[in-house]
This record gives sequence, C-alpha cells and structure tokens, in this order.
Amino acid sequence: ETGVTQSPTHLIKTRGQQVTLRCSSQSGHNTVSWYQQALGQGPQFIFQYYREEENGRGNFPPRFSGLQFPNYSSELNVNALELDDSALYLCASSSPGLEGETQYFGPGTRLLVL
Amino acid sequence: AQTVTQSQPEMSVQEAETVTLSCTYDTSESDYYLFWYKQPPSRQMILVIRQEAYKQQNATENRFSVNFQKAAKSFSLKISDSQLGDAAMYFCASVRWGGADGLTFGKGTHLIIQP
Repeated sequence: ETGVTQSPTHLIKTRGQQVTLRCSSQSGHNTVSWYQQALGQGPQFIFQYYREEENGRGNFPPRFSGLQFPNYSSELNVNALELDDSALYLCASSSPGLEGETQYFGPGTRLLVL
Repeated sequence: AQTVTQSQPEMSVQEAETVTLSCTYDTSESDYYLFWYKQPPSRQMILVIRQEAYKQQNATENRFSVNFQKAAKSFSLKISDSQLGDAAMYFCASVRWGGADGLTFGKGTHLIIQP
C-alpha cells in the first residue's frame, strides 16, 4: 500500500509569485484535503476535493485554488504570495465510507516566502 | 462549526510512566469523529487513534487509549509505558460525519519524554 506523497519537500518563493504544490493520495482513496500549518499552530483546513470537484472550503481567500485529477492526485496553487503564506502545507487523503472520515497525511511541503 | 481546545501546551513524563493529554471539543453535530495525531520533528502527521462518537466504548491501540466523555465533550489520550519515540507534538482533531469541512485541530501539546 502506497502512502500519501507530496512534492516538493521545500520551496522558497518571493512575495507576489505563484506556487504549485503536488500531492498523490494513498491507494484506494478518492478524497484529498489540504491544510496550512503555521509554525507552532495546528493545521488549518484550506479545501477538500472529491471526484475532481471542490466539495468543502475553509476560510482562505480565492488566491488559494486547487485541482484534483482522475487518478485522485491533487495540486494546491497559491497566487500572489504573501509573507504570511510561509507555512507547512499538508495534504491528506481519505475515502468516505472507509474507516469513517479518517485522513492520512503526507510529509508536507515547507514553503518560505521572502 | 467545531472547536477543539488543548489546554496543555507542554507535558513531560518519565520513560516507562503513564501520561494523559487533555482535549475538549465543541460541536453541534450528532455524528462526528475524534482523532489524536502525532507530529514528530520530521513533521509528518501520524494517526494515533480514532473514536467514533456513536460508540460508547473507548478506543485503544496498543499503549494508547482514550477516555471519551461525550456529555462533557472531553477526549483525553492516555499513553502507557511511555517510550522515547513517543516524544512529539500531539494534536486532537474532530470532523463531522461527511467531513467536507475538514478536520478541526487543537493547538497541540508538546510531549517530552525524560530518559
């Protein structure tokens, strides 16, 4: 069984740039959720994708957008980067009806915005 | 909306001893799930234990067990026979059935294991 993978592991960008983060879900999972974790805080929910559609969103502005592909992998795109976007970005996969609502996390992407 | 509160920013325990981490939550949902996740310095969030709110029996996973008090909205984690590898940040989280609004996390408890 393949776990959740994310790429890249680290990324440095400058303010105003755009970034794309990638996630491959665990085999058998069709739902991907993205979280932002600032230093010293718990993760905050950004959005969730199910069957290639966004089906839930947290309190994040529209410059945070995403995609899910037919193989259930996903991308998180952030436009017009701000200094406060510096954080660990976590992807989690799950499958409704399987193990309840349990989400399994990838290793994360550390984004630094200068 | 759900909220999760972890009131212990840091806990310390001697190796081989037992420690309990506290968590309270608030939800208007009748069907929901509760979790404890562990995040070591490697930063990957690892599932420790899961509790379905409709189940009265407390979940256990080897040395890890929970005390789920539904009426009090309390969900504590007990770690028995603490090991050095248990040192990490521990996050309590909740999600409603259907889960499209994601997990709601507490701020975490930093667990230190003293050799």
